[in-house]
Amino acid sequence: DSGVTQTPKHLITATGQRVTLRCSPRSGDLSVYWYQQSLDQGLQFLIQYYNGEERAKGNILERFSAQQFPDLHSELNLSSLELGDSALYFCASSVGQDGYTFGSGTRLTVV
Amino acid sequence: KNEVEQSPQNLTAQEGEFITINCSYSVGISALHWLQQHPGGGIVSLFMLSSGKKKHGRLIATINIQEKHSSLHITASHPRDSAVYICAVRGTYKYIFGTGTRLKVLA
Repeated sequence: DSGVTQTPKHLITATGQRVTLRCSPRSGDLSVYWYQQSLDQGLQFLIQYYNGEERAKGNILERFSAQQFPDLHSELNLSSLELGDSALYFCASSVGQDGYTFGSGTRLTVV
Repeated sequence: KNEVEQSPQNLTAQEGEFITINCSYSVGISALHWLQQHPGGGIVSLFMLSSGKKKHGRLIATINIQEKHSSLHITASHPRDSAVYICAVRGTYKYIFGTGTRLKVLA
C-alpha cells in the first residue's frame, strides 16, 4: 500500500455518461496530481492541485474537471464520456519535490 | 520530434549487467522525474532531480542541465528490475512524459 488510495479500481460505463474518480493522498501530502495513461498516448499529465488550489494544468479536456477538497482528497470528474476516454487514470501525491507517491490507478472502460 | 526522448525503447539484459537508460529533452525544465511501471501497471517514483546525481540502492540517476540529458543506471541488474522506465520533465506549469523504456532482465 503506497498510502495513496484511488477508488474505484475498475469502472465500466457507457458513452455519454459521467463518472467521478476519487483520490485520497498520502497523509501530510498537500499536492495531488492526476494522470491519464492510454494505450496510444502513454502517460499524460492532466492537472495538479496544491492545498485546494489548482497549481498546474496539462492536457485536460474541457469535459473533464477536478477539485481538491478541504480534507485534501481529490476528485476527477469525466463527463460526456467517449470510447477514447478509456484509460488508466492515476493519482499521485507529494510533499515538496521528493516523496512522490502514486496510487494504483482506476481503470476506466467506456463501452 | 517529441519534447522528451528516451533511448533505448526496448532493452533486454542478462542478470548482473549494468544498464543505462537515457532521456533527452528539448524544453526548459525545473525538474526531471524517473518512474518505474511494473507489468501489473503500478507506478513507483524513483527519483526527482533538478541537478547532479542521486543514488538509491542499485539505482543511480544523473542529470546534465546544460546538455538537457539525464541517465538512469541500474547496477547488478536483477529480473525483478524488469519494468517500463519512464522519464518525465516538469516545466513551469506542465509535465511531459517520455514514451518509456521497456526493460527485461533475464535470469
